[in-house]
Amino acid sequence: GQQVMQIPQYQHVQEGEDFTTYCNSSTTLSNIQWYKQRPGGHPVFLIQLVKSGEVKKQKRLTFQFGEAKKNSSLHITATQTTDVGTYFCAGRGNDYKLSFGAGTTVTVRA
Amino acid sequence: SQTIHQWPATLVQPVGSPLSLECTVEGTSNPNLYWYRQAAGRGLQLLFYSIGIGQISSEVPQNLSASRPQDRQFILSSKKLLLSDSGFYLCAWSATGLGGEQFFGPGTRLTVL
Repeated sequence: GQQVMQIPQYQHVQEGEDFTTYCNSSTTLSNIQWYKQRPGGHPVFLIQLVKSGEVKKQKRLTFQFGEAKKNSSLHITATQTTDVGTYFCAGRGNDYKLSFGAGTTVTVRA
Repeated sequence: SQTIHQWPATLVQPVGSPLSLECTVEGTSNPNLYWYRQAAGRGLQLLFYSIGIGQISSEVPQNLSASRPQDRQFILSSKKLLLSDSGFYLCAWSATGLGGEQFFGPGTRLTVL
């Protein structure tokens, strides 16, 4: 099956700054999903991208699916303390299964 | 609305003891069900998934097993726990196929001593 790599593993951000986390697959994906897990909590679905080059926004979060459907990014602007947590991407391959990346754990300095 | 329950929330078990974790889903029929394990500070490892009653697919060879005795019930078991079985166990369901968005339960934090 496909492997989904996510970088960076850790992201330490000053409150108010922007950052981006990246997700790359070894094979073409039919869709990519993003989840957020707060400390001590469980993953919560954020969004799904299906089309090549698709861009979706949720307030300060911008999600992008690459033209080749093998990579994705999550960009957060003006980071707030509420953005703390681990962000996972998950790609759906030809076997219809989701493969999760290892996640980017975000901490925020006030 | 749909809800997913897992219990217990935390569990401390000695090495060699049996394990049974239960997951139930409400408000939906014929869900796809999943068991994941998350080691401390790590990503999600898919252990088992099920597309229907009695249908279990294993992703990783291990000393764990899963069963689906009812449409909305998914059980994770072990006859003898190992130290390496410690972790955060998450049950999830999806409605739109194996690759659809997944909804996770609150998880069970298992410590094997």
